[in-house]
Amino acid sequence: KQEVTQIPAALSVPEGENLVLNCSFTDSAIYNLQWFRQDPGKGLTSLLLIQSSQREQTSGRLNASLDKSSGRSTLYIAASQPGDSATYLCAVSIVGSQGNLIFGKGTKLSVKP
Amino acid sequence: DARVTQTPRHKVTEMGQEVTMRCQPILGHNTVFWYRQTMMQGLELLAYFRNRAPLDDSGMPKDRFSAEMPDATLATLKIQPSEPRDSAVYFCASGLGQVSYNEQFFGPGTRLTVL
Repeated sequence: KQEVTQIPAALSVPEGENLVLNCSFTDSAIYNLQWFRQDPGKGLTSLLLIQSSQREQTSGRLNASLDKSSGRSTLYIAASQPGDSATYLCAVSIVGSQGNLIFGKGTKLSVKP
Repeated sequence: DARVTQTPRHKVTEMGQEVTMRCQPILGHNTVFWYRQTMMQGLELLAYFRNRAPLDDSGMPKDRFSAEMPDATLATLKIQPSEPRDSAVYFCASGLGQVSYNEQFFGPGTRLTVL
């Protein structure tokens, strides 16, 4: 059974720092991995989607990497800002499914001014 | 501005009452997913549809939950009778295309409280 783990559960950094969020999954047979952002009381916003054949994706200050063989992904946030404060979730779509996502519990990020 | 919409945004009801949640997927998307989020379990899949056909609803308590897509623009999730343990945020997501390239876009959720 696929399990997705995110470490740390919470992270607090001062504004301007570069930071890395980690995601690991137990079964490497995935179609893709998606990173989401969730603000308190809100829905999920898709940040980056990495296909299983890709190694990384970039969008602005965000860079996500994927090492399928080791079951790991990282989300790198450059020059963090207070507006980046949110919970970040990673999710994998597993081979043999119909595209449904298996989610981690998330990392709650707080960027202090 | 293409978005997934969900109604109602908030629902408070008493145990035993019927609850219906609605979702309008992004126009043209052919897959719809229902997820439930709780503090303890995180996000869990309840059911999903492709081209309006239900593909898997193994995540739902069958005796009380039902999911349907009456047409391509509407998905519904119904709980009857509701119980306090059903209190959670229910998200709908939609996507387009092949299974392996299916990026999902989420609605704002319905926050359900069952007293």
